Amino acid sequence: DTEVTQTPKHLVMGMTNKKSLKCEQHMGHRAMYWYKQKAKKPPELMFVYSYEKLSINESVPSRFSPECPNSSLLNLHLHALQPEDSALYLCASSQGTSGSGETQYFGPGTRLLVL
Amino acid sequence: AQKITQTQPGMFVQEKEAVTLDCTYDTSDPSYGLFWYKQPSSGEMIFLIYQGSYDQQNATEGRYSLNFQKARKSANLVISASQLGDSAMYFCAMREVSNTGKLIFGQGTTLQVKP
Repeated sequence: DTEVTQTPKHLVMGMTNKKSLKCEQHMGHRAMYWYKQKAKKPPELMFVYSYEKLSINESVPSRFSPECPNSSLLNLHLHALQPEDSALYLCASSQGTSGSGETQYFGPGTRLLVL
Repeated sequence: AQKITQTQPGMFVQEKEAVTLDCTYDTSDPSYGLFWYKQPSSGEMIFLIYQGSYDQQNATEGRYSLNFQKARKSANLVISASQLGDSAMYFCAMREVSNTGKLIFGQGTTLQVKP
């Protein structure tokens, strides 16, 4: 089973709202990732969690706040977003981060629209 | 400098024919992994195939095979017997041992399968 689930599938929010994206995996993976993807572009890495600790933050604005409550769950808290933050947000997981062969498995994504 | 280059923004193939999607990469790390992902219009990134830099044989997974030419730094994806459901965006990606956790994506190739 290589399933990563994400909720919600779609989200519309105003610039003053606070919302959260949720990602879950039950593959026993110890690394989880958030990516942002604009239309017709490759995904851009935002955050990496390894063993529930934040290991990479790709200089993401503080209006995006990640959280890893346990090894199966990854949240992305959103606050005071801008219209340019509208995108597909993808979550992924892998066994670990130490090898070049660690395959990342992606969820279906959350399509976010900021008005 | 771009580490992953996909030179074909868009391609067409007739149903049941084979198609090759090009990918070249650049790295000085002797240990790296190469991945191909499929992204249909629904948004989910689907892992297709993996090739390690030390693998002697080309990877195959069903109708997908990876034509790995290490000296040329190319990792082309070959899809045999194309199906209408193969219409999607395809991304080539690389993961270096020295770049823990980071998957570097190419710009993608949009494949359309004609009936």
